Amino acid sequence: GQQVMQIPQYQHVQEGEDFTTYCNSSTTLSNIQWYKQRPGGHPVFLIQLVKSGEVKKQKRLTFQFGEAKKNSSLHITATQTTDVGTYFCAGDSGGYQKVTFGTGTKLQVIP
Amino acid sequence: DGGITQSPKYLFRKEGQNVTLSCEQNLNHDAMYWYRQDPGQGLRLIYYSQIVNDFQKGDIAEGYSVSREKKESFPLTVTSAQKNPTAFYLCASSILPSGSTDTQYFGPGTRLTVL
Repeated sequence: GQQVMQIPQYQHVQEGEDFTTYCNSSTTLSNIQWYKQRPGGHPVFLIQLVKSGEVKKQKRLTFQFGEAKKNSSLHITATQTTDVGTYFCAGDSGGYQKVTFGTGTKLQVIP
Repeated sequence: DGGITQSPKYLFRKEGQNVTLSCEQNLNHDAMYWYRQDPGQGLRLIYYSQIVNDFQKGDIAEGYSVSREKKESFPLTVTSAQKNPTAFYLCASSILPSGSTDTQYFGPGTRLTVL
C-alpha cells in the first residue's frame, strides 16, 4: 500500500532560525496537503498542492511539490514560537482513494 | 475545524468494555473518517465512509466498528477486541468532489483511556 514518510521526526530550532520538513511518498500522488497540529489540538488544513513542481507561499511558509509528484517540502523562514506544533503531509494517488497521512514532524521553537 | 463535534473530550473506560465515540458534522460533507493517534505518532486511518450506509476499513480496523446511518453522523465503537485502545481519536470529514481529494476538516478529538 501507499506509504508516506516525513523527515525529520523531531526538530528543535532557535527562534528566528529556518525550518524545513520533507515528505516522501512511495507512489505518485495526484495532490498533497499539509496540516498543522498544535500541542493538544487537532490537525488544521494549511494548503493543497496539485501541479508538478508547484510552489505556494503563505507568509513565512513555503510549500513545494516535487516534479515527479512523489515528494514535497514545507519551509518556514525565521521561525516564531507560534510555529510550534506537528506538521503533517497527506497525499493520495487520485480518484476517491483515501488520503494517507505522513508520519509528521514535530517542531519545537526555543525562545 | 468548525462544524465537526466529537464528544466527550475525555473518556475513561474499564478494560473489556465496549465504548462508542460520537462524531457529528453539519458541513453537509459526504465523506467522514476516523483516525487514531498515539503519542508522538502520526494519524492512522481506522475506517472511512464516502456515502451513507457504506464504509470501508482503513489500515487498522481490527477491534473497531462503525455505522453511517445518517450523513451527519459517523460513530465509532471501540470493542473489547481492540488490544491497545488507549489513544487520541480524531474524526474528520470532507466534501469529496468528483475526481479529486478534498481537504479534511477535523473535530477536536476524544482522548480515550482504558484502565
